[in-house]
Amino acid sequence: GAVVSQHPSWVICKSGTSVKIECRSLDFQATTMFWYRQFPKQSLMLMATSNEGSKATYEQGVEKDKFLINHASLTLSTLTVTSAHPEDSSFYICSAKEWGGSYNEQFFGPGTRLTVL
Amino acid sequence: AQSVTQLDSHVSVSEGTPVLLRCNYSSSYSPSLFWYVQHPNKGLQLLLKYTSAATLVKGINGFEAEFKKSETSFHLTKPSAHMSDAAEYFCVVSEMDSSYKLIFGSGTRLLVRP
Repeated sequence: GAVVSQHPSWVICKSGTSVKIECRSLDFQATTMFWYRQFPKQSLMLMATSNEGSKATYEQGVEKDKFLINHASLTLSTLTVTSAHPEDSSFYICSAKEWGGSYNEQFFGPGTRLTVL
Repeated sequence: AQSVTQLDSHVSVSEGTPVLLRCNYSSSYSPSLFWYVQHPNKGLQLLLKYTSAATLVKGINGFEAEFKKSETSFHLTKPSAHMSDAAEYFCVVSEMDSSYKLIFGSGTRLLVRP
């Protein structure tokens, strides 16, 4: 149980275009989902926390107008990178907290590698 | 705020020898601590977690970690390394508020020599 999927697993896009990444909890309901980015050989940095039905909370330094997060249902959150540029190339990872689950346990997706040309 | 420090960016061991990955934490309260493993281009897998129960925590694949409050440490160990253990390991602490945020250490890359 507790499986989180991400789609796509990798994407290449041209500079200036927008890219949407989906994060789904497959066998549980997730009241809270988190989005991280990871640069090569670096740790994960939290970008934002999204709660179902409400606006996402962004970490300091993360542009909310550039990284649009939607959490419209208990099993799906999306991250849209708008007007992507090469510096946005990174590994994006989502995680989900199960509704009613252990208060601090998160289940991670496999990640999406974004390359902006 | 909570924080974790992973003392080694790289650790190299020979197959069959013990593994020690060091982690120190900073917390005003009794924290929840985790170790995650990440294989190349793969998602994170939870190895084990400490949530104020037994101080010696056993995880998957033969890993274990001991919570030592006096030393503010949560080091990860394994008696005998296997080639498949080669990966990036993250020590993680959970924020004690209602945000459920996880704070990641900088990671330790484990290399296993044949």
